[in-house]
Amino acid sequence: AQSVAQPEDQVNVAEGNPLTVKCTYSVSGNPYLFWYVQYPNRGLQFLLKYITGDNLVKGSYGFEAEFNKSQTSFHLKKPSALVSDSALYFCAVRGYNAGNNRKLIWGLGTSLAVNP
Amino acid sequence: NAGVTQTPKFQVLKTGQSMTLQCAQDMNHNSMYWYRQDPGMGLRLIYYSASEGTTDKGEVPNGYNVSRLNKREFSLRLESAAPSQTSVYFCASSREPDTQYFGPGTRLTVL
Repeated sequence: AQSVAQPEDQVNVAEGNPLTVKCTYSVSGNPYLFWYVQYPNRGLQFLLKYITGDNLVKGSYGFEAEFNKSQTSFHLKKPSALVSDSALYFCAVRGYNAGNNRKLIWGLGTSLAVNP
Repeated sequence: NAGVTQTPKFQVLKTGQSMTLQCAQDMNHNSMYWYRQDPGMGLRLIYYSASEGTTDKGEVPNGYNVSRLNKREFSLRLESAAPSQTSVYFCASSREPDTQYFGPGTRLTVL
């Protein structure tokens, strides 16, 4: 079965420290992987994606993510967290159904709290 | 370029009432989606439309209908609202079935 797991409901980090938000996936074929961020009472904003190429992907707001095929992971990272990074983060992977229509499979989200 | 717009932003309904949530995108995307977001449940796909004139059920289609009016617009209708449909509803669009761009959401309460 195709799935995405975000093993941590909440991550707490001090401002200025590095942050990691974890994501693992299970999908048939080569994965297309995405990270989105949701600020309170807002829609989801696209951060970055991995389709092919370099395993380290750079995205918006200084975030990056590393694709690890052997560990089926796509962890989101930032070298130095800001209080304004506090938000809900979603990992998603493109999956396939029987009709070969391609829909995103979403993780349940990780709430990131950056403390001053 | 407004991206994806949704109306209304907020709505309160009584059980049994009907309403239509509107969504429009100006990015010339083929694919459009309706999701609901509930605490602890993440995003769940209600319906999607891979192209104008086609619609398909997602994970939680019961109690909803959709119309892909044209390439720009994709509406979601609740024929007889139930308290279980209290949620935040998001519309999204994509050029391919890859990067999806989201609207600001509609917060719906059914009493």
